[in-house]
Parts: sequence; structure tokens; C-alpha cells
Amino acid sequence: GAVVSQHPSWVICKSGTSVKIECRSLDFQATTMFWYRQFPKQSLMLMATSNEGSKATYEQGVEKDKFLINHASLTLSTLTVTSAHPEDSSFYICSARGARAWNTEAFFGQGTRLTVV
Amino acid sequence: DAKTTQPPSMDCAEGRAANLPCNHSTISGNEYVYWYRQIHSQGPQYIIHGLKNNETNEMASLIITEDRKSSTLILPHATLRDTAVYYCIVILTGGGNKLTFGTGTQLKVEL
Repeated sequence: GAVVSQHPSWVICKSGTSVKIECRSLDFQATTMFWYRQFPKQSLMLMATSNEGSKATYEQGVEKDKFLINHASLTLSTLTVTSAHPEDSSFYICSARGARAWNTEAFFGQGTRLTVV
Repeated sequence: DAKTTQPPSMDCAEGRAANLPCNHSTISGNEYVYWYRQIHSQGPQYIIHGLKNNETNEMASLIITEDRKSSTLILPHATLRDTAVYYCIVILTGGGNKLTFGTGTQLKVEL
């Protein structure tokens, strides 16, 4: 299947700082990317959907000013957690989907473990 | 998107077939059934998807009932590495449609 690479795999940051997570589709053009977060022993929760060149669409309850999403190219989307706090510590996962067919599957990155201390 | 119901957990002996059920009684005619799995602390992995016909690939088989209200994912010869949470998702066609994850089934493959 297609490859989606997420970087970094894990990051520890101080409270109040910002963290950027990158998501790249390595062998296909991702017209749509999705960002999820996952707390321990819970399922994935969709945070936002982004289409290349457009503003992201955020799910209800997700602060768009805190979780900045940029999808400037067909192979790269970034999620920036601004002014991170310990409650933002979570597993963040991106997903990418191409436009080659109208029933394409989505491919996921390996996830980023964020710990805010 | 149609809601799905899966058992919270299942056990399977290594080498045996693992049959994971999913109910999606409110599925509509243009919604696909997708299966993903998530091994601990990794991103989800695509397994298989189908509309109404049974599907098979190198990983698994997907059996969809004639009325499309339920499906079964079959791992023909489960190994320890198949231990994971398996998610059944029903989604409208279209590249922009989002995948919404339920609670899935925790499959534990044991010796």
C-alpha cells in the first residue's frame, strides 16, 4: 500500500511551547489529509480534515487556533500544537487519501507521541 | 455515515482462522465497508474494503451478507502478530469523506 510518513515519532516539550508535526505522503498525491488524536485505551478521534490549498475543517470541540493545520502541497500537511499544555499530551496520527479513484482507502502515518511536561 | 457495532474483544488460537463480525444495519446503498487494524502504539493499517461482493486479498477476506447489514473479516491463519484492535468502518464513497472510528474489536491471538 501507499506510504505515509509522520515526523517526529515522539516529542517531549515544555508547557507553553509549540510543537509541529509533519505528515508526508511519499508515493502518491494526497488531496485530503486527516488528523486524529488518541488517548490511552481509547479510539481515534478525528480532529480535522484538510484539503490541499484550502483551510482545514475542524471537528466540533477542536480549537482551530490551538491546533493549526497547513496543507500547502499535495504531499505535506503539518499540525502545530500551539502553547501546548500537559492535557495536550496524546498520540497524534495523520491519514492521507488520494484522488485517483472515488473509493480510495486512506493510509495512516505511524503516529507521533506528544508529551508535554 | 452508518454506525457499526463490533464485539469489544475476541481471542483466537494461533494458526486458526479469526472471524471478526461487524453489524451495520443502517448501511445505505452507496456506503462501503472498510476494515483497518491498529497494533499497539502504531497508526492504523488498511486491511480490506468492499461494497457488496465478497473480497479477498493477501491479508484477509471480507464476507458481506446479501442484505449488507453485516460483514465478517476473516484472517485465515492468525499469528501472534495479528494481535491488534480491528475497526470496521462504513463510509460514503469519495476521497474527502472522513473515517470515523468506533471502539473496534481487540483481537488477542494466543499460542
